[in-house]
Amino acid sequence: AQSVTQLGSHVSVSEGTPVLLRCNYSSSVPPYLFWYVQYPNQGLQLLLKYTSAATLVKGINGFEAEFKKSETSFHLTKPSAHMSDAAEYFCVVSDDRAAGNKLTFGGGTRVLVKP
Amino acid sequence: NAGVTQTPKFRVLKTGQSMTLLCAQDMNHEYMYWYRQDPGMGLRLIHYSVGEGTTAKGEVPDGYNVSRLKKQNFLLGLESAAPSQTSVYFCAVATEWRGRPGEQFFGPGTRLTVL
Repeated sequence: AQSVTQLGSHVSVSEGTPVLLRCNYSSSVPPYLFWYVQYPNQGLQLLLKYTSAATLVKGINGFEAEFKKSETSFHLTKPSAHMSDAAEYFCVVSDDRAAGNKLTFGGGTRVLVKP
Repeated sequence: NAGVTQTPKFRVLKTGQSMTLLCAQDMNHEYMYWYRQDPGMGLRLIHYSVGEGTTAKGEVPDGYNVSRLKKQNFLLGLESAAPSQTSVYFCAVATEWRGRPGEQFFGPGTRLTVL
């Protein structure tokens, strides 16, 4: 079965500084990977996805993530944090049919942006 | 085009009562999922379905049942509610990408309190 580990349940950054959210996965097959964002008291929305095309994926709101097979990582970055980026972020891996077609979530990383 | 809707949005139950949560989609996707979200624990998969008439257990299925009699609806039942089932419940619908679940679309959530 797949698994997803997000290093750091909380990250605090200053406005205007870079954001780095770490995600490592385990998978026996080429993975499909996603990052979702959840703003307070809201549902989840897709930031970006990797489905075996370009390894550097650009998403909404200035975020991007790089798939590194050798490191089994899919870290999320943004060059300059904005106050509106304060939210919880989830890394997700998609299982193939043999593993049940599930989507496995990481534990989430809550981002605090300081003025 | 409502996407994914959940009914009800809020509910308070007494221990031992039963209820059914309804998830409805208008996107004609095969994959549907029920998650619960608790503070500090991310999203945990309860049950899911890969098509009409199919259901499968997720990470935390005990105390819940599901049915997918129609493709557009996925019902989550609590037969005898317990305080440990106090949570926010999210339904999600996923596209299919080369035989796997792809991008998920989430409902707005149902906040359930069991007294």
